[in-house]
Amino acid sequence: AQSVTQLDSQVPVFEEAPVELRCNYSSSVSVYLFWYVQYPNQGLQLLLKYLSGSTLVKSINGFEAEFNKSQTSFHLRKPSVHISDTAEYFCAVSLWGGGNKLTFGTGTQLKVEL
Amino acid sequence: SAVISQKPSRDICQRGTSLTIQCQVDSQVTMMFWYRQQPGQSLTLIATANQGSEATYESGFVIDKFPISRPNLTFSTLTVSNMSPEDSSIYLCSVVQGVTGELFFGEGSRLTVL
Repeated sequence: AQSVTQLDSQVPVFEEAPVELRCNYSSSVSVYLFWYVQYPNQGLQLLLKYLSGSTLVKSINGFEAEFNKSQTSFHLRKPSVHISDTAEYFCAVSLWGGGNKLTFGTGTQLKVEL
Repeated sequence: SAVISQKPSRDICQRGTSLTIQCQVDSQVTMMFWYRQQPGQSLTLIATANQGSEATYESGFVIDKFPISRPNLTFSTLTVSNMSPEDSSIYLCSVVQGVTGELFFGEGSRLTVL
């Protein structure tokens, strides 16, 4: 069975500083990888995804993630964060041919401070 | 993208009672999923609900506790039966849409059991 590990439960960072949220997965078969964001008192929104092709994927709000097969990682990065990026970030994986069922990590709370 | 509405958005219930959560989608979808997010934890898949067939439950979840209906391609309900404080969670409905199988989530139903 697949699993997702987000080692950092909380990441405090000052505004305009860079940030990296770590995500590692384990699976015996090929996977699709996702990052979801949950703003306070809101539902989950897809931030970005890796399905195939280029290993570097980007979102419209400046986040990017790189799929590293050898390290089984899909870390999320942003070179300069904003207060509005404060949210819970979930890494998730689904299996090729697995019926779109997602397995989520435990989440990382990103808190951006002035 | 799919627009998903869930009702109720939140509720406070007494131990031993049951609550039905509704999920309405603005377009026809084949696959719908119900997730649970317990306080401070990640999302866990409860079951997959496809129209015209019985829901498929994940390990640790049973139909007697979480009966699901899927009467048509735009609607589903999840009932939390004989509730206990351990059932206090956010329950989220999600659907698959698009050729890439992207999952969209409702804003969730926050349930508190006293």
